[in-house]
Amino acid sequence: DAGVTQSPTHLIKTRGQHVTLRCSPISGHKSVSWYQQVLGQGPQFIFQYYEKEERGRGNFPDRFSARQFPNYSSELNVNALLLGDSALYLCASSLKASGGSADTQYFGPGTRLTVL
Amino acid sequence: DAKTTQPTSMDCAEGRAANLPCNHSTISGNEYVYWYRQIHSQGPQYIIHGLKNNETNEMASLIITEDRKSSTLILPHATLRDTAVYYCIVRGFDNYGQNFVFGPGTRLSVLP
Repeated sequence: DAGVTQSPTHLIKTRGQHVTLRCSPISGHKSVSWYQQVLGQGPQFIFQYYEKEERGRGNFPDRFSARQFPNYSSELNVNALLLGDSALYLCASSLKASGGSADTQYFGPGTRLTVL
Repeated sequence: DAKTTQPTSMDCAEGRAANLPCNHSTISGNEYVYWYRQIHSQGPQYIIHGLKNNETNEMASLIITEDRKSSTLILPHATLRDTAVYYCIVRGFDNYGQNFVFGPGTRLSVLP
């Protein structure tokens, strides 16, 4: 079975631009979460979506937004890019959105965003 | 903030068991302990998780103390490919809206 896929793999943008990152979950998984990982740190939670509804939001500015589609794929959008947005953006999928055994999150390879 | 504390780094000789400790003294009764690892800028890889009983799978074993305040991840025969950052995370169920909170993890170096 295919794992979590993300596109693009790498992306270079300039300050002030907008970016859209895409994620396809494992087949059968209905929850998608987004994380930001700055170099040298652990991943930081941005959003979780389950059944197309936002179920959680981390401490990120409103420039960050996301949505989930009927096929459970998801997009992360970042507006007005700043240099500090340069990071590895990770998508993770899980069957549900609760914290039991069924909520093991499986991560994709990430999108490396560089803001110049 | 992460609910776990781990050593910053550890070394292990190739072929020996790697024992990675994790303290989670404030863990609640409904919170699971999860372990992930991340190999050089790849996405984190799920290893194992448990609630109160010891668990074993094809990758590793997880030993949770009886009071659940600490745990140990055991890689029985470490190889060079096990060199990675290992994250210990506690995660509750029925906790909509909260997700895995990653700390800095333990950087494991497997030495030839």
